[in-house]
Amino acid sequence: DTEVTQTPKHLVMGMTNKKSLKCEQHMGHRAMYWYKQKAKKPPELMFVYSYEKLSINESVPSRFSPECPNSSLLNLHLHALQPEDSALYLCASSQATGIIGYTFGSGTRLTVV
Amino acid sequence: KQEVTQIPAALSVPEGENLVLNCSFTDSAIYNLQWFRQDPGKGLTSLLLIQSSQREQTSGRLNASLDKSSGRSTLYIAASQPGDSATYLCAVRREETSGSRLTFGEGTQLTVNP
Repeated sequence: DTEVTQTPKHLVMGMTNKKSLKCEQHMGHRAMYWYKQKAKKPPELMFVYSYEKLSINESVPSRFSPECPNSSLLNLHLHALQPEDSALYLCASSQATGIIGYTFGSGTRLTVV
Repeated sequence: KQEVTQIPAALSVPEGENLVLNCSFTDSAIYNLQWFRQDPGKGLTSLLLIQSSQREQTSGRLNASLDKSSGRSTLYIAASQPGDSATYLCAVRREETSGSRLTFGEGTQLTVNP
């Protein structure tokens, strides 16, 4: 298995809702990432998990809450989002060292209404 | 702070042309450089990975070069096809004590016309 699987592919949520994005990989990668991508912009790093521990938080608002239950799973819990949070959310994984590059999932298209 | 620049921002060519996409980065202390392709609304597909100690990598019609000391990389696409139409992103990886960080350029939007 050489893929990163993200679910759901599309999500529409109200500003008072609570939802979660899920990411899964079975490549034995020990680093996992959340990126946010707005239209016609490059992906921006949000969080990095290394060996299931949060190692980088790019000053992301607390309405985004990451979780790494085990080495294969990465979740992003969403609560009280704003319309400007609408974007493509990408999950990626890599080995902890950079011999092999990053593998990205197909993303979750999030719309906040 | 690492900054990555891609030139041109957009490119439109007729089918069959050979073309070059450019990427430059400000901090040469990189671990590796990765070229990605992104179709509209989709995720990123890795095309080529060049380690900092390497000069180039090839995959099919694609060839990527890296000059780490000058902070430049190029992606060469031979005999372009309409299916190559996509946005091409260059990203450099840096290792920090807190973890790995991948910094992207703004991308080159490529259109190959039949």
